[in-house]
Amino acid sequence: GNSVTQMEGPVTLSEEAFLTINCTYTATGYPSLFWYVQYPGEGLQLLLKATKADDKGSNKGFEATYRKETTSFHLEKGSVQVSDSAVYFCALRYNNDMRFGAGTRLTVKP
Amino acid sequence: NAGVTQTPKFRVLKTGQSMTLLCAQDMNHEYMYWYRQDPGMGLRLIHYSVGEGTTAKGEVPDGYNVSRLKKQNFLLGLESAAPSQTSVYFCASSPGTSLSTDTQYFGPGTRLTVL
Repeated sequence: GNSVTQMEGPVTLSEEAFLTINCTYTATGYPSLFWYVQYPGEGLQLLLKATKADDKGSNKGFEATYRKETTSFHLEKGSVQVSDSAVYFCALRYNNDMRFGAGTRLTVKP
Repeated sequence: NAGVTQTPKFRVLKTGQSMTLLCAQDMNHEYMYWYRQDPGMGLRLIHYSVGEGTTAKGEVPDGYNVSRLKKQNFLLGLESAAPSQTSVYFCASSPGTSLSTDTQYFGPGTRLTVL
């Protein structure tokens, strides 16, 4: 079956530090991959997505590349801000099967 | 600019009681979804709909029923609530181009506690 495994948190960084949150997946077909962000008390918002191998999704300084050979979709940002503090979810979708990782809580300190 | 709204925001039920959660979207989206979010488990798909009058089961459909009588609304029902259904419930909608690639837009969530 399909599944997503992402780096356990919590992750605490200082402002302007480099961020990596690891995400790997298992899939029977060729899924689309997503990163969502959830701010306190809110629903999830799409951060970026990639729909085929070698695609790079990017938004607000965040990037992730769909790596079929390593079945990974790691999230990176070169310089985090306090406003990036949130919970980040990796997800895959293949037709009607939608799977989310457990989430990684990021706290950025000034 | 409402987007996806959910009613109610909070609810406490006793075991065996029933209730309906309402999701409404004003973006004319074809597809709608119900998820539950539990600590340490991410989101799990309960049911979804690819159009008015249609529904389908997701990963964890047991104990829930849904209806999509109008395109803009998607109702989630619990006929006999159990403590295992204590969770945060999120509704989402997407345009309807593709189940695999559509961007989903999420509501703010409903926190349900079953005693």
